[in-house]
Order: sequence, then structure tokens, then C-alpha cells
Amino acid sequence: GEDVEQSLFLSVREGDSSVINCTYTDSSSTYLYWYKQEPGAGLQLLTYIFSNMDMKQDQRLTVLLNKKDKHLSLRIADTQTGDSAIYFCAESTGQFYFGTGTSLTVIP
Amino acid sequence: NAGVTQTPKFQVLKTGQSMTLQCAQDMNHNSMYWYRQDPGMGLRLIYYSASEGTTDKGEVPNGYNVSRLNKREFSLRLESAAPSQTSVYFCASSLAGESRYTFGSGTRLTVV
Repeated sequence: GEDVEQSLFLSVREGDSSVINCTYTDSSSTYLYWYKQEPGAGLQLLTYIFSNMDMKQDQRLTVLLNKKDKHLSLRIADTQTGDSAIYFCAESTGQFYFGTGTSLTVIP
Repeated sequence: NAGVTQTPKFQVLKTGQSMTLQCAQDMNHNSMYWYRQDPGMGLRLIYYSASEGTTDKGEVPNGYNVSRLNKREFSLRLESAAPSQTSVYFCASSLAGESRYTFGSGTRLTVV
């Protein structure tokens, strides 16, 4: 399958910004997604970006896409303790490929 | 709330036992999927069903079988469980041609 890579862990202080990074290999991806998984729960779609865009903003969330470098990032402004979760990026070329997930810990 | 329902939530099996994981969705979605989630490996697709009456292998189908019983239900069967199948299993569904998935809350399976 395709390779979608993420760093496994990130810790930030409450109120700071969090940046979660993702690299992917398939340049024909049509959509790229960010999912959030809270403890003991399934994945919930957080946001997504169409591959012909380079930025999407949705309240505290900013998604940046660099197609040339095949790099996707999710920035969470004013990170709160409720943002502690595992964040998965995913690319879709008809079939989904998920990253390994980044566990975000927010320190009060 | 409408969505994807998985049962059971937790299960412990002995090596060699069989069991079926159930999944049902009430959103009239055409496509359904089974994933397994393992630490450091993300989600890997086991089987999927693009529409009622069809099933296809995903990335890691060995040791599993599936049944798309009707449009709502998609079950995953382990005929002879092995410790390597210890994992969290997620069912998901989507509309045909759409790539936004709705996930169930998962089944945590331990094989001893």
C-alpha cells in the first residue's frame, strides 16, 4: 500500500499551538484528511482538503498542503486539554490509506 | 444517534476459537469496511464491500472472512483465532463515490 508517515508523539502546553505533520507518497491523491480518535472511541473526521488547495482554515484548525513535497500539516491554535487524542492523516486515491497516528498530549 | 454500531466492544478468545464481529449502519451507506488498528501501524484495511452483494480483499485479509448480509450489515469472521489477531477492529461506512468515512467505536479483541 501507500506510505503515509507521521511522528508518533507530540506534547504541547495548554494555550500553545500544535502542529502535526504527515508525509505521503501518492501524488494522485484527490483528498487528504485529518481524523481524530479520542480514547476508547472510533475515528471522527476533523477536516479535509482537496488536493488542488494549499490551505484550509476552520476555526482553530489550519490545514496546509505542500503537494510538491507531499507534506500535509494540521495546526491547532490555542490547544486545549480536550484536544488530547490521536490524530490520523489519510489520503484517498479511491481507497483510503491511513498514517500511523500522532498521539497529542496537552499539558495543563 | 445514527451511525455505525459494532458489537461486541470487548472480546477475549483462546487460540483456535472462532467468532464473528458484527457491524451495522443506519445511514443508507453503500460501502462498508473493516480495519484493524495496531500500535505504530495506523489502520490497515482487512476487507471492504463497495456495495451490497460484493466484497473485496484489502491489505491484510489473511485469517479473516466477511459477509455483506444486506445493505446495513457487514460482519467479520475469524475462523481460527491467532494471537497475531489481537487488535482493535473498526468498521466504517461511506456513500458510494464519497471518501468521507463514518467509523464505529471499535471492538477490542484479545487472543490468548
